Amino acid sequence: DQQVKQNSPSLSVQEGRISILNCDYTNSMFDYFLWYKKYPAEGPTFLISISSIKDKNEDGRFTVFLNKSAKHLSLHIVPSQPGDSAVYFCAASDPHGGSQGNLIFGKGTKLSVKP
Amino acid sequence: DSGVTQTPKHLITATGQRVTLRCSPRSGDLSVYWYQQSLDQGLQFLIQYYNGEERAKGNILERFSAQQFPDLHSELNLSSLELGDSALYFCASSAEDGLFTGELFFGEGSRLTVL
Repeated sequence: DQQVKQNSPSLSVQEGRISILNCDYTNSMFDYFLWYKKYPAEGPTFLISISSIKDKNEDGRFTVFLNKSAKHLSLHIVPSQPGDSAVYFCAASDPHGGSQGNLIFGKGTKLSVKP
Repeated sequence: DSGVTQTPKHLITATGQRVTLRCSPRSGDLSVYWYQQSLDQGLQFLIQYYNGEERAKGNILERFSAQQFPDLHSELNLSSLELGDSALYFCASSAEDGLFTGELFFGEGSRLTVL
C-alpha cells in the first residue's frame, strides 16, 4: 500500500515555462514533506521541504505547496531550465516511524525540460 | 559530491551468495540510512543507525543485516541472495538524529545484480 504516490511517471515542459509536479499521500500523521532530485548515476539530492504546519515554502525558482485537507503537495519550478531535467521524488516523514529520517518516497516523476 | 561514499558501485553475483555493501558517511554525520530502489520503485527505507546503534528498521528482510562501526562507516550484508534482490542500494547520512532538517545526503548507490 503506497502511502506516497506520484501518479505521473513523466512530464515534459518547454524551457521557460512552469513545471508542476504532483504528489498525494494517505497518512495524515506525516509531519514533513520533501522533494529530492535525482540525475542518472547519482544519488538523490535534497531540493526543498515543507513542514505540515505550513502551506507554502519557496526557494528561488522552486516552490512547494501543501494542501493538507486534500493530502496533496506540489512542486512548482518557474522558469524551467534544461538542467532541471531529472527524476523528482516526493517524500514524507512519519514521526511515528521511529526516526524522522525514515522517509517514505514516491516512485518519482521524470521531468524533461526541452530547449 | 554529497560526501557520502559507497563501494562497490556495481556488483554482479549469483543466487544464494552473500555480499557486503559499504558506506562512509559525510564527515561528522552520526546517522546512516540504507535504502533500496528496485526497478520502477521508489526508495524503500531499510534501516538506520545512529552513532553505532540501530535506531529504526523499515522493510528489511531477515536475510539482510547491517551495522555501523566505531569510525561511523556502515556495512549492509545481504545473504542467500535471490533474483529479486537485484536493486540499487543507497546509503545516506545526516548530521544529527532528532534535529531533523529534512535533508539526507545520499551516496551514488551500489547497483547489485543477482543472476
